[in-house]
Amino acid sequence: GDSVTQMEGPVTLSEEAFLTINCTYTATGYPSLFWYVQYPGEGLQLLLKATKADDKGSNKGFEATYRKETTSFHLEKGSVQVSDSAVYFCALGETSGSRLTFGEGTQLTVNP
Amino acid sequence: ETGVTQTPRHLVMGMTNKKSLKCEQHLGHNAMYWYKQSAKKPLELMFVYNFKEQTENNSVPSRFSPECPNSSHLFLHLHTLQPEDSALYLCASSQGGRGADETQYFGPGTRLLVL
Repeated sequence: GDSVTQMEGPVTLSEEAFLTINCTYTATGYPSLFWYVQYPGEGLQLLLKATKADDKGSNKGFEATYRKETTSFHLEKGSVQVSDSAVYFCALGETSGSRLTFGEGTQLTVNP
Repeated sequence: ETGVTQTPRHLVMGMTNKKSLKCEQHLGHNAMYWYKQSAKKPLELMFVYNFKEQTENNSVPSRFSPECPNSSHLFLHLHTLQPEDSALYLCASSQGGRGADETQYFGPGTRLLVL
């Protein structure tokens, strides 16, 4: 079945550092790919998404490119802020319906 | 209120209790979901409803019983739970019927502790 593998955390960075969180997937067909973020005490919210190969999703300085050849959707940000501290989830949308398959989540802490 | 709301936010119950979790979405969506979020595990999809009909039950034990009376409301009825059922229960909604590229909108969750 479909699956998502995320870089293990936790990740701790200093403010203004460069961020990469790796995500790879296994899927049949042509899934959509998502990054969701969960701030403390809140539910998940969509950060960005890409629906086909070579698409780049971007939002709030975060970017991720849908790479079919490497089955990856790595999340990047050039300069993180303390307010980016959260748990980040990579997810795959199955082509047969609206089911999402999530990775385990990566805890990011940004120190001032 | 806007978005997806869930009540209660926190719940403590004994193994013999019966309780219900409530979810309401104000987005005009047609699909609703229950997820279980446990520490150090991926989110587990429990149930999916499309246009009030249950379209997925992900092998969830019968002590969890969902109910979807209309497209805006979703309940999760809990009965004789086990301590290992303690988790954050998240509700989500989406437009419905659009397939793989649908964005799901999540509520803040109910933190459940079973004693």
